Amino acid sequence: SQELEQSPQSLIVQEGKNLTINCTSSKTLYGLYWYKQKYGEGLIFLMMLQKGGEEKSHEKITAKLDEKKQQSSLHITASQPSHAGIYLCGAPRGGNTGKLIFGQGTTLQVKP
Amino acid sequence: DAGVIQSPRHEVTEMGQEVTLRCKPISGHDYLFWYRQTMMRGLELLIYFNNNVPIDDSGMPEDRFSAKMPNASFSTLKIQPSEPRDSAVYFCASSPGSSEAFFGQGTRLTVV
Repeated sequence: SQELEQSPQSLIVQEGKNLTINCTSSKTLYGLYWYKQKYGEGLIFLMMLQKGGEEKSHEKITAKLDEKKQQSSLHITASQPSHAGIYLCGAPRGGNTGKLIFGQGTTLQVKP
Repeated sequence: DAGVIQSPRHEVTEMGQEVTLRCKPISGHDYLFWYRQTMMRGLELLIYFNNNVPIDDSGMPEDRFSAKMPNASFSTLKIQPSEPRDSAVYFCASSPGSSEAFFGQGTRLTVV
């Protein structure tokens, strides 16, 4: 089984709607990274969370790490077609090396 | 900096042929990672280097895969001989170790 489980696996929403993607870990998270990937392209860093209860926002995207540091959520407010893509959560393994393991990803489609 | 540069972007080869993927990390980054992405298995870490030295190659699937980093600005991932099941997108990423990893655009490999 995956060490990081993302849900849902895929999501189709109407433009303007809010949505949430979850990332659950079987181990305590000592950091959680969110990346976005467009088809055929590399991963773009979105946000990093480290402390239990931490919340960060960038434009219309908000990410949270729960107090127990085993679950993170990514929330998009008033979705736009530009938000479409694959969202991946990653957790560091191996101290401050940048080595990450990833969830399976959540594919988001936004219908105009 | 131009970011992590991978070449080629696309590679189509016949089964049994040798394939070499190339990566130029971001200058000053001490860590370099090779990942493979497939629909079935998601994004998997194959191997990573610290200061040009391989640290963890436990993700390398078979002896047919090998990776080198002869200097701080260049790394290769070689598959010999290639098989159809090696078809995937291969990503190179680099990190300074204290923050997120930066990904290249990937090499889409198709083995026919």
